Amino acid sequence: QVQLQESGPGLVKPSQTLSLTCTVSGGSISSGDYYWSWIRQPPGKGLEWIGYIYYSGSTYYNPSLKSRVTISVDTSKNQFSLKLSSVTAADTAVYYCARGVTGTTLGEWVDYWGQGTLVTVSS
Amino acid sequence: DIQMTQSPSSLSASVGDRVTITCRASQSISSYLNWYQQKPGKAPKLLIYAASSLQSGVPSRFSGSGSGTDFTLTISSLQPEDFATYYCQQSYSTSFGPGTKVDIK
Repeated sequence: QVQLQESGPGLVKPSQTLSLTCTVSGGSISSGDYYWSWIRQPPGKGLEWIGYIYYSGSTYYNPSLKSRVTISVDTSKNQFSLKLSSVTAADTAVYYCARGVTGTTLGEWVDYWGQGTLVTVSS
Repeated sequence: DIQMTQSPSSLSASVGDRVTITCRASQSISSYLNWYQQKPGKAPKLLIYAASSLQSGVPSRFSGSGSGTDFTLTISSLQPEDFATYYCQQSYSTSFGPGTKVDIK
């Protein structure tokens, strides 16, 4: 059974960089059948893609966040990470890491999610 | 960018009711449409992928249909555990719909 677990600070100061790590267990992050995502949800609001990375290293970033986002993979630790720079209160959200299925003719979809971690941006 | 809309934004229903949620894309996305269920304080859960394929372990009362720009999620007989928020998601260029909250009448 695949499991994903987010880790990182729950409080970040405005203008600083938010850094989160997702540890994957029960499966290899190096598989070409999957991509690795970050998705967030502000309190009381809907879901927003931040971006994702394929095992090859290619990435997709939400255009509205692209200038501030970096997603990377550490295959030796079976982890992937998110960095979001110059944060403001608007970046306060529950951040989810997730695994997506790729390489099919039917499209792509997210089949496993972490439990989510609340990150608050405040001084 | 492809914009996703859902209707209604919320609905009230009773146990046993047939419930239909609609998702519309601003341009054709073929069948690249997925549905997720989210309960308060929990991560979303995949229900339907590729518009009409039922994810393993999901009850058969859930079904999806549609292609192009118009899609539906149907719950044939609403159960107490189905009260939740439902999101569609297009994988053509990656975005979520705004969600539909289903609560108890």
